[in-house]
Amino acid sequence: DTAVSQTPKYLVTQMGNDKSIKCEQNLGHDTMYWYKQDSKKFLKIMFSYNNKELIINETVPNRFSPKSPDKAHLNLHINSLELGDSAVYFCASSSLGQGARTEAFFGQGTRLTVV
Amino acid sequence: KQEVTQIPAALSVPEGENLVLNCSFTDSAIYNLQWFRQDPGKGLTSLLLIQSSQREQTSGRLNASLDKSSGRSTLYIAASQPGDSATYLCAVSSSASKIIFGSGTRLSIRP
Repeated sequence: DTAVSQTPKYLVTQMGNDKSIKCEQNLGHDTMYWYKQDSKKFLKIMFSYNNKELIINETVPNRFSPKSPDKAHLNLHINSLELGDSAVYFCASSSLGQGARTEAFFGQGTRLTVV
Repeated sequence: KQEVTQIPAALSVPEGENLVLNCSFTDSAIYNLQWFRQDPGKGLTSLLLIQSSQREQTSGRLNASLDKSSGRSTLYIAASQPGDSATYLCAVSSSASKIIFGSGTRLSIRP
């Protein structure tokens, strides 16, 4: 049973379109994240949510809008897609308890290609 | 601002050798440090997690150490195998609900 699952795995779309990526975790974690891995393979944090509340927004364009309907889900909606948005997007989760943060688990990634 | 650096960026060694990958971070106020493996075109696989109060963790042929005061961690791989070829990523979890990654070490094990 997959701990962190993302859909879709691949997404090819035209410039200007709006698309969403879904993420679900079944680990009972209280924190979820979105990361972008660019062509140079560097992983950069985009958003962090704790108990459905936005904690971190790393100067991401407002075309990107995360939504967390509950603790187990963090979806990413992208408006007016641009060529530079092409990348692999990873969802992750972890939890904070008793002063320690648990192991983080990552989804398999969504490869977004904007043409 | 937390910065994570991994050295070397790439490493190629013959099969059977022991090797060490290095990771350094600038802010010692961390919850934990985690080592991941990423195969080409794949997701991230967690290898080892070291909490800030711990000094090392071991899993099979892998051993990770943490020296929080000096901002350093090492990943030791014993008796390397071609199947160990991948990119290894170091990541620190800070108090600001962030997990900050290094740029990775691309490891190639020659048969």
